[in-house]
Amino acid sequence: AQSVTQLDSQVPVFEEAPVELRCNYSSSVSVYLFWYVQYPNQGLQLLLKYLSGSTLVKGINGFEAEFNKSQTSFHLRKPSVHISDTAEYFCAVSETSSASKIIFGSGTRLSIRP
Amino acid sequence: DTAVSQTPKYLVTQMGNDKSIKCEQNLGHDTMYWYKQDSKKFLKIMFSYNNKELIINETVPNRFSPKSPDKAHLNLHINSLELGDSAVYFCASTQTAGNTEAFFGQGTRLTVV
Repeated sequence: AQSVTQLDSQVPVFEEAPVELRCNYSSSVSVYLFWYVQYPNQGLQLLLKYLSGSTLVKGINGFEAEFNKSQTSFHLRKPSVHISDTAEYFCAVSETSSASKIIFGSGTRLSIRP
Repeated sequence: DTAVSQTPKYLVTQMGNDKSIKCEQNLGHDTMYWYKQDSKKFLKIMFSYNNKELIINETVPNRFSPKSPDKAHLNLHINSLELGDSAVYFCASTQTAGNTEAFFGQGTRLTVV
């Protein structure tokens, strides 16, 4: 069975500073990887996904993530954050053979300071 | 038009009551899901239906019963509500069972008092 670990429950960052949200996964088979964002009192929205091919994937709102198979990581990055990026970010994984079941990490709250 | 819509958005009810949450998607997707998000924001899958057929049924108390009258709707009925059922419940859909992008509803905040 697969699992996802987001080590940082909260990440405070100053506006216009870079940010990295860490995600590690565990699985005995090949996986798809995702980052979702949840703004306050809203549902989840897909930021980006890795299915295959290039290990660097770009998403919406200037975010990108890099798949590192040897380190089983899929860290999310943004070079310069804005106040509007304040939200909860979820890393998620699903097995390629059974993509129906998306397993989410515990989330990282990104708070932007002016 | 909202792609995945849930009703109600807020639900406050007493212990022991029975309640339902409704979900509809207008994306033409085949697969729908229910997730539970607890107070610590942890998201856990509960059920998944593909074209009205149950394909995922996680370890959930049998007081929770999903119903899919057609592939555009997936409702969640909860019997004998308990305090621990308080959470935000999210409905989601994907184009197919193996598709990778899930679209989420706005959530239903259930509070059991």
